[in-house]
Amino acid sequence: GNSVTQMEGPVTLSEEAFLTINCTYTATGYPSLFWYVQYPGEGLQLLLKATKADDKGSNKGFEATYRKETTSFHLEKGSVQVSDSAVYFCALSDLAGGTSYGKLTFGQGTILTVHP
Amino acid sequence: AAGVIQSPRHLIKEKRETATLKCYPIPRHDTVYWYQQGPGQDPQFLISFYEKMQSDKGSIPDRFSAQQFSDYHSELNMSSLELGDSALYFCASSSLAGGYYEQYFGPGTRLTVT
Repeated sequence: GNSVTQMEGPVTLSEEAFLTINCTYTATGYPSLFWYVQYPGEGLQLLLKATKADDKGSNKGFEATYRKETTSFHLEKGSVQVSDSAVYFCALSDLAGGTSYGKLTFGQGTILTVHP
Repeated sequence: AAGVIQSPRHLIKEKRETATLKCYPIPRHDTVYWYQQGPGQDPQFLISFYEKMQSDKGSIPDRFSAQQFSDYHSELNMSSLELGDSALYFCASSSLAGGYYEQYFGPGTRLTVT
């Protein structure tokens, strides 16, 4: 079956530091990959996506590249801000040749805390 | 832009009671998904509907049922509630035109079972 694995443990950074959150996946077909962000007490917001190998998704200074050879989709940001503090979820959607209607499989989530 | 609407936002029920959660998708979206997120957990897929027909099923307990109506809104019915059902329940919607690549999530319904 499909699965997503994110780096374990919360991440704590100082403002303007570089961020990397690792994400690897296992899928039976050709998945689309996503990063969602969840701010405290709120729902899930789509941060960025990539639908095929070598695609780079980017938004609000965050970016991630779909690496099929390493089955990875690591999230990066060059300079984090206090307002980036949230939980980040890596997810995949595997259309499986048309038999799936795009349900998402999520990773465990990574708590990011940015200090001033 | 219109977003996914969920109601109620908060719900408190006792064990063995029933609960109904409602979801109103983004206009012209034809697919609705339900997810359950336990405390400190990642969201788990429960069930989805495409054009009012069940399209996919995940780890949804038999005590739960759901349907999508002619106006595309969806309801998740939960019976014989257990303490372990306490969670945040998200609804998301997408459209065939979007190729299912993007799901837009509602703010969630926080269910507390006491």
